[in-house]
Amino acid sequence: GQQVMQIPQYQHVQEGEDFTTYCNSSTTLSNIQWYKQRPGGHPVFLIQLVKSGEVKKQKRLTFQFGEAKKNSSLHITATQTTDVGTYFCAGPMYSGGGADGLTFGKGTHLIIQP
Amino acid sequence: DSGVTQTPKHLITATGQRVTLRCSPRSGDLSVYWYQQSLDQGLQFLIQYYNGEERAKGNILERFSAQQFPDLHSELNLSSLELGDSALYFCASSAGLAGGGTGELFFGEGSRLTVL
Repeated sequence: GQQVMQIPQYQHVQEGEDFTTYCNSSTTLSNIQWYKQRPGGHPVFLIQLVKSGEVKKQKRLTFQFGEAKKNSSLHITATQTTDVGTYFCAGPMYSGGGADGLTFGKGTHLIIQP
Repeated sequence: DSGVTQTPKHLITATGQRVTLRCSPRSGDLSVYWYQQSLDQGLQFLIQYYNGEERAKGNILERFSAQQFPDLHSELNLSSLELGDSALYFCASSAGLAGGGTGELFFGEGSRLTVL
């Protein structure tokens, strides 16, 4: 079945260092979404990428969608304590009626040491 | 506040019991999704409903069932509970494009189930 793999599972960084998480799909994706879950919280949508090679920025966050639309990355520049949490990528699942639901990666836990 | 409401927030029960988790989607959203989150297991998709009908099914056990009612709220029923069913259960909603597709998911705060 369709799988979305994320690495690394855990990432410890010093505050101010950069952070990157990578997402790989076993199949070509029509789009990919990224979510952030703070400790004790629920996943919150960050962004959706649709086009091959697309790059989007949100302040210190840079999202990329691979040319083959099978991989994606999230890069955070100069991490801050507010960036702590788990970052998930998610790709659409397909059933006979079209794209339904999202398959989530297992997430990357970002731990920041002050 | 995502606009998605889940009850109860916490639930403690014994093995073999049955529980019902409830979800009210955001106003106007037709799709409801259920996910299970266990420690270090990410978000496992269980089932999706669109406008009252089952749309997609994931790794949902036969002991689990769900439905979406005419007012669009949804319930997830978990029966013959086992210790391994202890997890955080999230409901999410989306506008749900009529022709398929997902769009952004809005998650509730989850229902934490503990089976003793």
